[in-house]
Amino acid sequence: GENVEQHPSTLSVQEGDSAVIKCTYSDSASNYFPWYKQELGKRPQLIIDIRSNVGEKKDQRIAVTLNKTAKHFSLHITETQPEDSAVYFCAASNSGGSNYKLTFGKGTLLTVNP
Amino acid sequence: EAGVAQSPRYKIIEKRQSVAFWCNPISGHATLYWYQQILGQGPKLLIQFQNNGVVDDSQLPKDRFSAERLKGVDSTLKIQPAKLEDSAVYLCASSPERLALNEQFFGPGTRLTVL
Repeated sequence: GENVEQHPSTLSVQEGDSAVIKCTYSDSASNYFPWYKQELGKRPQLIIDIRSNVGEKKDQRIAVTLNKTAKHFSLHITETQPEDSAVYFCAASNSGGSNYKLTFGKGTLLTVNP
Repeated sequence: EAGVAQSPRYKIIEKRQSVAFWCNPISGHATLYWYQQILGQGPKLLIQFQNNGVVDDSQLPKDRFSAERLKGVDSTLKIQPAKLEDSAVYLCASSPERLALNEQFFGPGTRLTVL
């Protein structure tokens, strides 16, 4: 089955700096890669996703890049703000065959210091 | 639109007791998921329903966990008997389709503590 590794487990940045979180996956057939943000005690919420036919996707201060050859994808947050502080999870899924479920990484606790 | 609803929000039980969680997905969503999220880890899929049929329960500990989705809408997840290692947040999620690459919408979760 799919295995997703996520790094770093914790990340502390100053407000206004950029933050980068990296994930690798094992199943070369995976073709959907969402990122979820989970604030303390709250539900995970999708912030951005990317499909395997795209190398990069951007939404305001958030961007995701995908390297299918190397089987890794990254989340980039620019101009970080205190409200970006949360746990971020990457995930991978294969929409075909039988392995279509989302497999999550272990999460990255991002702290943005004012 | 209303989000995914779950109850109860919190539950404390002793080991070997039984517990049940309830989930009401977003109206019209055919696919429903139950995840277990242990503290400090990402959600792990326990079971996935398409309407009222099970499409993946490979990671469900079937000796103690069971789930059903009657009439393809609400779902219940049961643990009997509970073990200490079952302490976790149980998240329910729904999405419009199974094979299409659609966002999964999560409920607020049920935090289970097994003493």
